[in-house]
Amino acid sequence: EVQLVESGGGLVQPGGSLRLSCAASGFTFSSYRMHWVRQAPGKGLEWISYISSSSNDRYYADSVRGRFTISRDNAKDSLFLQMNSLSDEDTAVYYCARSATNTPFDYWGHGALVTVSS
Amino acid sequence: IVMTQSPATLSVSPGERATLSCRASQSISSNLAWYQQKPGQAPRLLIYSASTRATGIPARFSGSGSGTEFTLTISSLQSEDFAVYYCQQYHNWPPWTFGQGTKVEIK
Repeated sequence: EVQLVESGGGLVQPGGSLRLSCAASGFTFSSYRMHWVRQAPGKGLEWISYISSSSNDRYYADSVRGRFTISRDNAKDSLFLQMNSLSDEDTAVYYCARSATNTPFDYWGHGALVTVSS
Repeated sequence: IVMTQSPATLSVSPGERATLSCRASQSISSNLAWYQQKPGQAPRLLIYSASTRATGIPARFSGSGSGTEFTLTISSLQSEDFAVYYCQQYHNWPPWTFGQGTKVEIK
């Protein structure tokens, strides 16, 4: 069974940093592209970052570029999102999701809540 | 690519048909997916390639369209179908873009 489990969410002050993790199981992690998608309270879905299977390509939404860094460890079946210079606009549930080549996001984690507040 | 969904809210009685629309700001061929999201849950893939049901999705869900105009139809709404539905394009990326969502509520 495919599983994606996020961790690392929590309360952080404006300007602070947080690192999210996503543990994958039930599939060959190194064969899949991975994404982070977030959802602010009461709002829709926003794609924020992508990493290719080999980490050769990484993309970011304009809203997080320069502040967030996506990475992965294929040996440990894990995806990460380092978030720096956080503001209240970054308050959201953060989901990791997988895709194959030019396919939609077929599996999603349960999400990790990040709250930026003083 | 901007994805626009309509209506924002759809009020439907159980057993009735629901028709949701999604429009892309430019052609995306058939590279469109539909997701269902219930409160407190992650999105779930329903439809991909505009009209192919994902694994385990009931036949009452169907998708159609290509280019810029797409439709998700739920033929006979069940209680578990009341949720928010999002369309997403995966034709031109980055970014991968979602519509703003359509909430299907009980009439």
